[in-house]
Amino acid sequence: ETGVTQSPTHLIKTRGQQVTLRCSSQSGHNTVSWYQQALGQGPQFIFQYYREEENGRGNFPPRFSGLQFPNYSSELNVNALELDDSALYLCASSLPTLGGHEQYFGPGTRLTVT
Amino acid sequence: AQTVTQSQPEMSVQEAETVTLSCTYDTSESDYYLFWYKQPPSRQMILVIRQEAYKQQNATENRFSVNFQKAAKSFSLKISDSQLGDAAMYFCAYRVRDDKIIFGKGTRLHILP
Repeated sequence: ETGVTQSPTHLIKTRGQQVTLRCSSQSGHNTVSWYQQALGQGPQFIFQYYREEENGRGNFPPRFSGLQFPNYSSELNVNALELDDSALYLCASSLPTLGGHEQYFGPGTRLTVT
Repeated sequence: AQTVTQSQPEMSVQEAETVTLSCTYDTSESDYYLFWYKQPPSRQMILVIRQEAYKQQNATENRFSVNFQKAAKSFSLKISDSQLGDAAMYFCAYRVRDDKIIFGKGTRLHILP
């Protein structure tokens, strides 16, 4: 069974640029959630995708957008990067049922905005 | 609003000793899940233990156990026989049906040899 993978591992961008982060979900998982973890903080929920549709969003501006593909992999896009966007971006995949399932996290992408 | 509070930013424990990490949460829901995640320097978030709110029995996973007090909205993690590999950031987290996880700010645990 393949776990959650993310690419790239590290990324350095300049303020105002755009960035795309990628996540491959664990085999069989149809839901992907994205989180932003600022230095020294707990992860903050950005949004979730279920079967290619956005299924919940946290308190993040519209310049944070995403996609989920038919194979359930996902992208996080951030436009007009700001210095405060520097963080570790985590994705997590799951297979929700009425009883709930754990979210399995990837190793994250460290984004630095200069 | 749903919130998770971890009041201990850092803790230290001697190897082989027992340590308890504290967590309180606020919710109006009756059906939810609580978790403790471990994040070592490798950054991978690892699930340590989970507790369903409808279960009265405290969850246990080997050296890790919780003290779940639903009325007090308290969910502490006890680590017995601490090992050097337990050193990490520990996050208390909460989730309702929609699968969004709300995390606390974390407690950094140091293990002293």
